[in-house]
Amino acid sequence: NAGVTQTPKFQVLKTGQSMTLQCAQDMNHEYMSWYRQDPGMGLRLIHYSVGAGITDQGEVPNGYNVSRSTTEDFPLRLLSAAPSQTSVYFCASRSTANTEAFFGQGTRLTVV
Amino acid sequence: SQQGEEDPQALSIQEGENATMNCSYKTSINNLQWYRQNSGRGLVHLILIRSNEREKHSGRLRVTLDTSKKSSSLLITASRAADTASYFCATRMDSSYKLIFGSGTRLLVRP
Repeated sequence: NAGVTQTPKFQVLKTGQSMTLQCAQDMNHEYMSWYRQDPGMGLRLIHYSVGAGITDQGEVPNGYNVSRSTTEDFPLRLLSAAPSQTSVYFCASRSTANTEAFFGQGTRLTVV
Repeated sequence: SQQGEEDPQALSIQEGENATMNCSYKTSINNLQWYRQNSGRGLVHLILIRSNEREKHSGRLRVTLDTSKKSSSLLITASRAADTASYFCATRMDSSYKLIFGSGTRLLVRP
């Protein structure tokens, strides 16, 4: 049982480049979220989804896009990378709104 | 600003001592959760307490919730060096499906 899988684990981008962070879960969870973690800031919610075809913005959505075409996958797209997007990104899933979240191991992104 | 704020930001104790971390939040919640993060790793769920519960135990963990004060505490008893990690509270507000995290407490347990 893999749980939540994020790829890649590490990525270096140049300013202005675009890329997609992948997140997949095999627990048939309806709720999926993307967070970024910066030193001293805890985790901040970027976007979340409550089911296939349904997404919504979190606390810091600017510069990121998401889509949810299947229950399993929730990719995060950086449209035009900026140094301020240097961070560690975590994907999480929950079976319902009121249950625990399961996290991936994170993607460490550096934008130069 | 974030929904949950932990206090203290950092805590250093001796092995065997108890560690207490606090979380305050701003709006009405459905539940509050505590997570642990080892350095460089993903978060792991520890315990969930619902808004109609006041106290919950899991092994050496004890969580309390005071909805009138909008605060929660996590107590780790008889701490071990392996408890060294960052601890985060997260709240699911009544009005939203979002799960919002606080800034965390870094716990160091000295052998």
